[in-house]
Amino acid sequence: GQNIDQPTEMTATEGAIVQINCTYQTSGFNGLFWYQQHAGEAPTFLSYNVLDGLEEKGRFSSFLSRSKGYSYLLLKELQMKDSASYLCAVRDSNYQLIWGAGTKLIIKP
Amino acid sequence: ETGVTQTPRHLVMGMTNKKSLKCEQHLGHNAMYWYKQSAKKPLELMFVYNFKEQTENNSVPSRFSPECPNSSHLFLHLHTLQPEDSALYLCASSQEPDGTSGNTIYFGEGSWLTVV
Repeated sequence: GQNIDQPTEMTATEGAIVQINCTYQTSGFNGLFWYQQHAGEAPTFLSYNVLDGLEEKGRFSSFLSRSKGYSYLLLKELQMKDSASYLCAVRDSNYQLIWGAGTKLIIKP
Repeated sequence: ETGVTQTPRHLVMGMTNKKSLKCEQHLGHNAMYWYKQSAKKPLELMFVYNFKEQTENNSVPSRFSPECPNSSHLFLHLHTLQPEDSALYLCASSQEPDGTSGNTIYFGEGSWLTVV
């Protein structure tokens, strides 16, 4: 079966750095997405990785290792507004998106 | 504002009621989707429409009936639902359902459904 694993919940301190991991086992790979979802709101696109390596976009970076079936989302200089759920999704060989259950990130002052 | 608008935002319905969820996208996309989101579970893809044609139906019970009159509008008709159908229903759109690099999906705010 296809599976995406990410931690259920993480806590971090304002101003710090946090890394949210995602491991996947899918039938084929055609890209990995990270989405942010604030409570009661729509998931919004953060990043897309299809090749190995690090993609940086401001305070957020996303890393991919296809050989290890592994990605992480790195958030720097955490702000209170970063409190949200972070969803990892992989596009498989049929171009279907397989979603993780999401990681709820709690930022404390 | 994501360019995908869903109504109503909240809906409470009895098990014998018939109601509909509406979605409209203003992004000029070709593909539209219905997802179900339950607490602490992955997003569940329900239906996919590409150029108004249904291309995916992930074993969804017939009490959920989608309708796509054009590429910009998508409905989810609901009847004789069960309490376990209570969830957040998300509509989404993308330029194409597959193939293109990236092909980011844009979500609406969702419709919170409670079945009593």
